[in-house]
Amino acid sequence: GESVGLHLPTLSVQEGDNSIINCAYSNSASDYFIWYKQESGKGPQFIIDIRSNMDKRQGQRVTVLLNKTVKHLSLQIAATQPGDSAVYFCAENSGGSNYKLTFGKGTLLTVNP
Amino acid sequence: GAGVSQSPSNKVTEKGKDVELRCDPISGHTALYWYRQRLGQGLEFLIYFQGNSAPDKSGLPSDRFSAERTGESVSTLTIQRTQQEDSAVYLCASSPSGGISYNEQFFGPGTRLTVL
Repeated sequence: GESVGLHLPTLSVQEGDNSIINCAYSNSASDYFIWYKQESGKGPQFIIDIRSNMDKRQGQRVTVLLNKTVKHLSLQIAATQPGDSAVYFCAENSGGSNYKLTFGKGTLLTVNP
Repeated sequence: GAGVSQSPSNKVTEKGKDVELRCDPISGHTALYWYRQRLGQGLEFLIYFQGNSAPDKSGLPSDRFSAERTGESVSTLTIQRTQQEDSAVYLCASSPSGGISYNEQFFGPGTRLTVL
């Protein structure tokens, strides 16, 4: 079946640098995408979302970019801080579902002080 | 206010035993989800409850898995005759309604299940 995947399983950056985490999706019917942050021992925490009628959305220090042509999603974190160290997951609403999410495997981001 | 809570936080059991995991959603949230997260993997959808509607059980991996929810309150996930491959973190989430495009899912801390 179709699924969401990630290009990089791990990413190590220096404090203050910008981070980019990538995600590929294959279900063209999905029209809503979310990025989650999961710290060790905790449940995922919502970061930012984007609908398929947009190609960019900005939050506080984070930006999500959506390229529907190549089915690619990215999360940009500006001025990465040690507290940003976590696993980041992208998720899509499975084939346009109103409630079901399909998650990628996750990228471990490590921020070095 | 209180978030989603789950109990126990950790459960170690022997192969073949039954386990029951509990989720207390945020008060007033009509939608409740269960996910399974294997080590180093993303979340797998298990089951979805929305109000008094019939649950979507399409993600349950086998008939050893079942879940119940009474009204819009507590939910329990039961795994019968546990197997080693059931070892994972089981996460519960709730949202104000079932529309994920409009309502964030709030996750609990999970129950780490280890089957020996």
